[in-house]
Amino acid sequence: DSGVTQTPKHLITATGQRVTLRCSPRSGDLSVYWYQQSLDQGLQFLIQYYNGEERAKGNILERFSAQQFPDLHSELNLSSLELGDSALYFCASSTTGTGGEKLFFGSGTQLSVL
Amino acid sequence: EDQVTQSPEALRLQEGESSSLNCSYTVSGLRGLFWYRQDPGKGPEFLFTLYSAGEEKEKERLKATLTKKESFLHITAPKPEDSATYLCAVQITRGSARQLTFGSGTQLTVLP
Repeated sequence: DSGVTQTPKHLITATGQRVTLRCSPRSGDLSVYWYQQSLDQGLQFLIQYYNGEERAKGNILERFSAQQFPDLHSELNLSSLELGDSALYFCASSTTGTGGEKLFFGSGTQLSVL
Repeated sequence: EDQVTQSPEALRLQEGESSSLNCSYTVSGLRGLFWYRQDPGKGPEFLFTLYSAGEEKEKERLKATLTKKESFLHITAPKPEDSATYLCAVQITRGSARQLTFGSGTQLTVLP
């Protein structure tokens, strides 16, 4: 158990809908990362937050947004969903978020867009 | 452009048959190379971090090495429980932030 909690584990929705994925980092970790994993793209970095503020942005679509709350949990919002958004979404956390440190990954949320 | 390439894509070994997985990278200013293990339906699990050419790290049957252009994950006398996808990642700097760029992984199957 990595100590990172993601909910829900599975999500099935329709095109055009909006969903919210939730992540609770390990106790004491200030940084949260979101990754998307699909069969054809591998593990793609989306966005990173550190202590409530956005620190780095990767290949995140404009339809996607995220935030980190004062209690350090994070949410990833996906809107106007398309079939191609179906993927496994992982949250990871680390202590300082400055790099050079290992990430602890949650078990992921499997999103299916029908 | 920063790039991480893993080979082979898939590898099937008999129990006890040692082999190596490769991770080659093209990055401007490597600040760390990471190896992770991922089991089906689970998130990646950290194995090793290597920072400089010539560095080696070991854990049970796994040994990771690093050169200036690639890293190898050597698996000695593997067991069926070593079956998993092994991912390597390099740490790159974008502006003031550092992020991990992952390779597509090597799916290892160890047959009893």
